[in-house]
Amino acid sequence: NAGVTQTPKFRVLKTGQSMTLLCAQDMNHEYMYWYRQDPGMGLRLIHYSVGEGTTAKGEVPDGYNVSRLKKQNFLLGLESAAPSQTSVYFCASSYSGSPYEQYFGPGTRLTVT
Amino acid sequence: DQQVKQNSPSLSVQEGRISILNCDYTNSMFDYFLWYKKYPAEGPTFLISISSIKDKNEDGRFTVFLNKSAKHLSLHIVPSQPGDSAVYFCAATPRGAQKLVFGQGTRLTINP
Repeated sequence: NAGVTQTPKFRVLKTGQSMTLLCAQDMNHEYMYWYRQDPGMGLRLIHYSVGEGTTAKGEVPDGYNVSRLKKQNFLLGLESAAPSQTSVYFCASSYSGSPYEQYFGPGTRLTVT
Repeated sequence: DQQVKQNSPSLSVQEGRISILNCDYTNSMFDYFLWYKKYPAEGPTFLISISSIKDKNEDGRFTVFLNKSAKHLSLHIVPSQPGDSAVYFCAATPRGAQKLVFGQGTRLTINP
Protein backbone atom coordinates (compact mmCIF):
# COMPACT_ATOMS: atom_id res chain seq x y z
CA ASN A 1 0.00 0.00 0.00
CA ALA A 2 1.95 3.02 -1.30
CA GLY A 3 -0.51 5.70 -0.10
CA VAL A 4 -0.01 8.97 -2.01
CA THR A 5 2.88 9.14 -4.45
CA GLN A 6 4.16 12.13 -6.44
CA THR A 7 6.24 12.22 -9.60
CA PRO A 8 8.82 13.71 -10.01
CA LYS A 9 10.51 14.43 -6.67
CA PHE A 10 12.63 17.29 -8.02
CA ARG A 11 12.56 19.37 -11.18
CA VAL A 12 14.30 22.46 -12.53
CA LEU A 13 12.53 24.41 -15.27
CA LYS A 14 13.44 27.45 -17.28
CA THR A 15 10.96 30.34 -17.41
CA GLY A 16 8.30 29.65 -20.01
CA GLN A 17 8.67 25.87 -20.02
CA SER A 18 5.76 23.62 -19.22
CA MET A 19 5.47 20.51 -17.10
CA THR A 20 2.98 18.19 -15.43
CA LEU A 21 3.17 16.90 -11.87
CA LEU A 22 1.52 13.54 -11.29
CA CYS A 23 -0.19 12.47 -8.08
CA ALA A 24 -1.44 8.93 -7.55
CA GLN A 25 -3.27 7.38 -4.58
CA ASP A 26 -4.19 3.76 -3.96
CA MET A 27 -6.63 4.31 -1.07
CA ASN A 28 -9.74 4.74 -3.23
CA HIS A 29 -10.17 8.29 -1.90
CA GLU A 30 -12.77 10.49 -3.56
CA TYR A 31 -11.15 13.85 -2.79
CA MET A 32 -7.74 15.01 -4.01
CA TYR A 33 -5.87 18.29 -3.53
CA TRP A 34 -2.82 20.19 -4.76
CA TYR A 35 -1.03 22.57 -2.35
CA ARG A 36 2.09 24.66 -2.57
CA GLN A 37 4.31 25.39 0.42
CA ASP A 38 6.42 28.54 0.52
CA PRO A 39 8.53 29.87 3.41
CA GLY A 40 6.40 31.86 5.85
CA MET A 41 3.21 31.11 3.89
CA GLY A 42 2.26 27.65 5.07
CA LEU A 43 0.27 25.39 2.78
CA ARG A 44 -1.92 27.10 0.21
CA LEU A 45 -4.55 25.23 -1.81
CA ILE A 46 -4.11 25.48 -5.59
CA HIS A 47 -6.90 23.25 -6.95
CA TYR A 48 -8.90 20.34 -5.65
CA SER A 49 -11.23 17.62 -6.89
CA VAL A 50 -14.19 15.95 -5.17
CA GLY A 51 -14.48 13.17 -7.73
CA GLU A 52 -13.41 11.79 -11.07
CA GLY A 53 -13.98 14.34 -13.80
CA THR A 54 -14.49 17.29 -11.42
CA THR A 55 -12.08 20.04 -10.38
CA ALA A 56 -12.37 23.32 -8.49
CA LYS A 57 -10.18 26.33 -7.79
CA GLY A 58 -8.49 26.82 -4.47
CA GLU A 59 -6.81 29.82 -2.94
CA VAL A 60 -3.99 30.33 -5.51
CA PRO A 61 -5.10 28.78 -8.85
CA ASP A 62 -3.58 31.27 -11.31
CA GLY A 63 -0.94 29.79 -13.62
CA TYR A 64 -1.99 26.19 -12.94
CA ASN A 65 -4.40 23.72 -14.50
CA VAL A 66 -5.51 20.33 -13.24
CA SER A 67 -7.23 17.22 -14.49
CA ARG A 68 -8.80 14.20 -12.77
CA LEU A 69 -9.50 11.71 -15.54
CA LYS A 70 -9.14 8.72 -13.23
CA LYS A 71 -10.17 8.48 -9.59
CA GLN A 72 -6.68 7.53 -8.46
CA ASN A 73 -4.78 10.25 -10.35
CA PHE A 74 -4.69 14.04 -10.09
CA LEU A 75 -2.45 15.98 -12.47
CA LEU A 76 -1.16 19.51 -11.95
CA GLY A 77 0.03 21.39 -15.03
CA LEU A 78 2.13 24.49 -15.44
CA GLU A 79 1.69 25.80 -18.98
CA SER A 80 4.33 28.54 -18.86
CA ALA A 81 6.46 28.37 -15.71
CA ALA A 82 7.44 31.56 -13.88
CA PRO A 83 10.03 32.07 -11.11
CA SER A 84 7.12 32.82 -8.71
CA GLN A 85 6.09 29.17 -9.10
CA THR A 86 9.30 27.99 -7.45
CA SER A 87 7.92 26.06 -4.50
CA VAL A 88 7.37 22.67 -2.92
CA TYR A 89 4.17 21.09 -4.20
CA PHE A 90 2.17 18.61 -2.15
CA CYS A 91 -0.64 16.40 -3.27
CA ALA A 92 -3.16 15.06 -0.76
CA SER A 93 -6.21 12.83 -0.76
CA SER A 94 -9.08 12.06 1.62
CA TYR A 95 -12.33 10.14 2.00
CA SER A 96 -15.46 12.13 1.27
CA GLY A 97 -16.77 11.11 4.71
CA SER A 98 -13.70 12.55 6.43
CA PRO A 99 -12.41 15.22 4.09
CA TYR A 100 -10.30 17.07 6.60
CA GLU A 101 -8.05 14.18 7.55
CA GLN A 102 -5.93 14.37 4.47
CA TYR A 103 -3.12 12.04 3.45
CA PHE A 104 -0.18 13.82 1.86
CA GLY A 105 2.43 12.74 -0.63
CA PRO A 106 6.16 13.40 -0.06
CA GLY A 107 6.22 16.55 -2.20
CA THR A 108 7.84 17.78 -5.41
CA ARG A 109 10.47 20.49 -5.20
CA LEU A 110 10.23 22.70 -8.28
CA THR A 111 12.70 25.44 -9.17
CA VAL A 112 12.01 27.83 -12.03
CA THR A 113 15.03 29.82 -13.22
CA ASP B 1 -5.54 37.99 4.21
CA GLN B 2 -4.31 35.27 6.53
CA GLN B 3 -7.39 33.69 8.12
CA VAL B 4 -5.35 31.25 10.19
CA LYS B 5 -2.26 32.62 11.89
CA GLN B 6 0.57 30.97 13.75
CA ASN B 7 2.52 33.93 15.06
CA SER B 8 5.50 31.98 16.39
CA PRO B 9 7.71 30.73 13.53
CA SER B 10 9.75 28.62 15.95
CA LEU B 11 9.71 27.20 19.48
CA SER B 12 12.43 25.45 21.44
CA VAL B 13 11.54 23.22 24.42
CA GLN B 14 13.53 20.94 26.68
CA GLU B 15 12.84 17.23 26.49
CA GLY B 16 10.29 16.15 29.09
CA ARG B 17 8.72 19.60 29.42
CA ILE B 18 5.44 20.80 27.93
CA SER B 19 5.31 22.24 24.41
CA ILE B 20 2.52 24.71 23.67
CA LEU B 21 1.85 25.73 20.09
CA ASN B 22 -0.65 28.48 19.39
CA CYS B 23 -2.96 29.36 16.51
CA ASP B 24 -5.41 32.22 15.96
CA TYR B 25 -8.17 32.48 13.39
CA THR B 26 -10.28 35.33 12.11
CA ASN B 27 -13.13 33.65 10.24
CA SER B 28 -16.08 33.10 12.59
CA MET B 29 -17.47 30.51 10.15
CA PHE B 30 -14.65 28.09 11.01
CA ASP B 31 -15.97 25.33 13.23
CA TYR B 32 -13.57 22.44 12.76
CA PHE B 33 -9.87 22.62 13.52
CA LEU B 34 -6.92 20.32 12.99
CA TRP B 35 -3.22 20.04 13.65
CA TYR B 36 -0.79 18.48 11.20
CA LYS B 37 2.84 17.56 11.79
CA LYS B 38 5.55 17.68 9.15
CA TYR B 39 9.05 16.21 9.15
CA PRO B 40 11.68 17.45 6.63
CA ALA B 41 11.37 15.97 3.14
CA GLU B 42 8.00 14.39 4.00
CA GLY B 43 4.40 15.40 3.56
CA PRO B 44 2.34 16.59 6.54
CA THR B 45 0.52 13.96 8.60
CA PHE B 46 -2.71 14.43 10.51
CA LEU B 47 -2.24 14.67 14.27
CA ILE B 48 -5.42 15.68 16.10
CA SER B 49 -8.65 17.59 15.51
CA ILE B 50 -11.40 19.35 17.42
CA SER B 51 -14.92 20.41 16.63
CA SER B 52 -16.31 23.73 17.82
CA ILE B 53 -18.84 21.92 20.02
CA LYS B 54 -15.92 20.92 22.25
CA ASP B 55 -13.27 22.95 24.03
CA LYS B 56 -10.76 20.14 24.51
CA ASN B 57 -9.71 16.96 22.75
CA GLU B 58 -7.02 14.62 24.01
CA ASP B 59 -5.06 11.85 22.31
CA GLY B 60 -2.22 10.42 24.35
CA ARG B 61 0.45 13.08 24.86
CA PHE B 62 -1.38 15.53 22.60
CA THR B 63 -4.21 17.82 23.69
CA VAL B 64 -5.88 20.52 21.63
CA PHE B 65 -7.75 23.35 23.35
CA LEU B 66 -10.25 25.62 21.62
CA ASN B 67 -11.29 29.05 22.89
CA LYS B 68 -14.08 30.13 20.56
CA SER B 69 -14.62 33.55 22.09
CA ALA B 70 -10.94 34.39 21.59
CA LYS B 71 -10.77 32.58 18.23
CA HIS B 72 -7.72 30.77 19.52
CA LEU B 73 -6.57 27.18 19.65
CA SER B 74 -3.51 25.59 21.11
CA LEU B 75 -1.75 22.24 20.96
CA HIS B 76 -0.14 20.91 24.12
CA ILE B 77 2.43 18.13 23.97
CA VAL B 78 3.44 16.61 27.28
CA PRO B 79 5.96 15.27 27.91
CA SER B 80 7.86 16.50 24.86
CA GLN B 81 10.13 13.98 23.16
CA PRO B 82 12.95 14.41 20.59
CA GLY B 83 10.77 12.77 17.93
CA ASP B 84 8.31 15.65 18.33
CA SER B 85 10.78 17.99 16.61
CA ALA B 86 8.93 18.96 13.43
CA VAL B 87 6.90 21.76 11.84
CA TYR B 88 3.33 21.93 13.13
CA PHE B 89 0.53 23.41 11.04
CA CYS B 90 -2.89 24.29 12.34
CA ALA B 91 -5.79 24.21 9.89
CA ALA B 92 -9.43 25.23 9.97
CA THR B 93 -12.61 24.90 7.94
CA PRO B 94 -16.31 25.62 8.08
CA ARG B 95 -18.24 22.31 8.44
CA GLY B 96 -19.43 21.16 5.07
CA ALA B 97 -16.67 22.91 3.15
CA GLN B 98 -14.46 20.64 1.12
CA LYS B 99 -11.14 22.30 1.86
CA LEU B 100 -8.86 23.42 4.68
CA VAL B 101 -7.14 26.73 5.39
CA PHE B 102 -3.67 26.28 6.88
CA GLY B 103 -1.55 28.48 9.10
CA GLN B 104 2.08 29.31 8.35
CA GLY B 105 3.51 26.63 10.60
CA THR B 106 5.64 26.60 13.76
CA ARG B 107 8.96 24.76 13.88
CA LEU B 108 9.24 22.92 17.19
CA THR B 109 12.67 21.82 18.39
CA ILE B 110 12.96 19.52 21.39
CA ASN B 111 16.36 19.78 23.06
CA PRO B 112 17.82 16.84 25.03
